[in-house]
Amino acid sequence: TQLLEQSPQFLSIQEGENLTVYCNSSSVFSSLQWYRQEPGEGPVLLVTVVTGGEVKKLKRLTFQFGDARKDSSLHITAAQPGDTGLYLCAGSVMNNNAGNMLTFGGGTRLMVKP
Amino acid sequence: ETGVTQSPTHLIKTRGQQVTLRCSSQSGHNTVSWYQQALGQGPQFIFQYYREEENGRGNFPPRFSGLQFPNYSSELNVNALELDDSALYLCASSLGQLSSYNEQFFGPGTRLTVL
Repeated sequence: TQLLEQSPQFLSIQEGENLTVYCNSSSVFSSLQWYRQEPGEGPVLLVTVVTGGEVKKLKRLTFQFGDARKDSSLHITAAQPGDTGLYLCAGSVMNNNAGNMLTFGGGTRLMVKP
Repeated sequence: ETGVTQSPTHLIKTRGQQVTLRCSSQSGHNTVSWYQQALGQGPQFIFQYYREEENGRGNFPPRFSGLQFPNYSSELNVNALELDDSALYLCASSLGQLSSYNEQFFGPGTRLTVL
């Protein structure tokens, strides 16, 4: 069973601050995805990382996949109130017995105050 | 290109009843996965359908069942509803075997409340 642990669970910061969210596992994933979810809506895919050590940037968001493909981080620079939401990481292991399922972390609830 | 749609958006049932939730996959996607998201938690994998057959199942009892139709749309059926089944049910579509990265795209979800 693959488990993903996210930290912190909750984060409340002021506009303009930087933050990092961590996603850790003892399992190796073939790919890892980050999603953002608003209340009452489904998760929206932000990025997919597939190569150990890979770094991807999406405007003020920087995503990194660990060298061993067991962990990942999301760094937000100069956070804005529009970044408020639930951030979820999800790992994928291809061709396992449970199909191409995604294993989700518990999520990090971010609030950015103006 | 049409995204993933789900119906209904909200549903209230009582214990012991049965419910059917529906999902239309994104255009061009042949694989549908269902997830249960309890309040304050990350989504949990229920099962996946590919070419109208179940292609994997998470740790959910047999009273959770599903179907996929030739147009790749899907249904999730839950029998003998329990209070703990109250959750947001998410459908995700993907390219399945055609995708190297298993990128899944989610619908808005169906909020099920069991009283």
